[in-house]
Amino acid sequence: EAQVTQNPRYLITVTGKKLTVTCSQNMNHEYMSWYRQDPGLGLRQIYYSMNVEVTDKGDVPEGYKVSRKEKRNFPLILESPSPNQTSLYFCASSLPGGGYTFGSGTRLTVV
Amino acid sequence: AQSVTQLDSQVPVFEEAPVELRCNYSSSVSVYLFWYVQYPNQGLQLLLKYLSGSTLVESINGFEAEFNKSQTSFHLRKPSVHISDTAEYFCAVSTFNDYKLSFGAGTTVTVRA
Repeated sequence: EAQVTQNPRYLITVTGKKLTVTCSQNMNHEYMSWYRQDPGLGLRQIYYSMNVEVTDKGDVPEGYKVSRKEKRNFPLILESPSPNQTSLYFCASSLPGGGYTFGSGTRLTVV
Repeated sequence: AQSVTQLDSQVPVFEEAPVELRCNYSSSVSVYLFWYVQYPNQGLQLLLKYLSGSTLVESINGFEAEFNKSQTSFHLRKPSVHISDTAEYFCAVSTFNDYKLSFGAGTTVTVRA
């Protein structure tokens, strides 16, 4: 089954404790992206990657890092999480013009 | 850069009544347009998309959307809603040479019996 897999689904952490949210896709898509979803703001792009070792900032990259060492994986790293990063996070992958396939989401709470 | 405006944040509707969710976009180049649906506590699912060709696109569960280039709109409609259509709906746009998908703020549809 074609899918994007995110882990974990839920995470509660404390301010300043580094965390990684994993994302993997099995569709051989070149393009992958991370979004955060907040009430009333829709989805905003954090980072994206056009291919292996090619990443770039989206609209809200502050406080986040990513890496793309393999085509299928695109982890999101929060080096020092803060409460304003409490959000619902989605990973997605895509072919050009084809729309995105989204993961199931990671609900992160930073206390 | 492209942007999307969803004109209604909340749409309450009775079961079997019609619904229309409004979406306007802005872009200086040709666009691809999408509607995604998010059911409670789930991820986003592609509902329908306009890439080219016929301006009226349909989904398998009775929704349709019409691309109107002159009005830069892509409104979503369903002639008769079900309780199971209760969800949040997102309009999104990308452009021909850009993978990036820009989303509207979302419209929450609540269907009541």
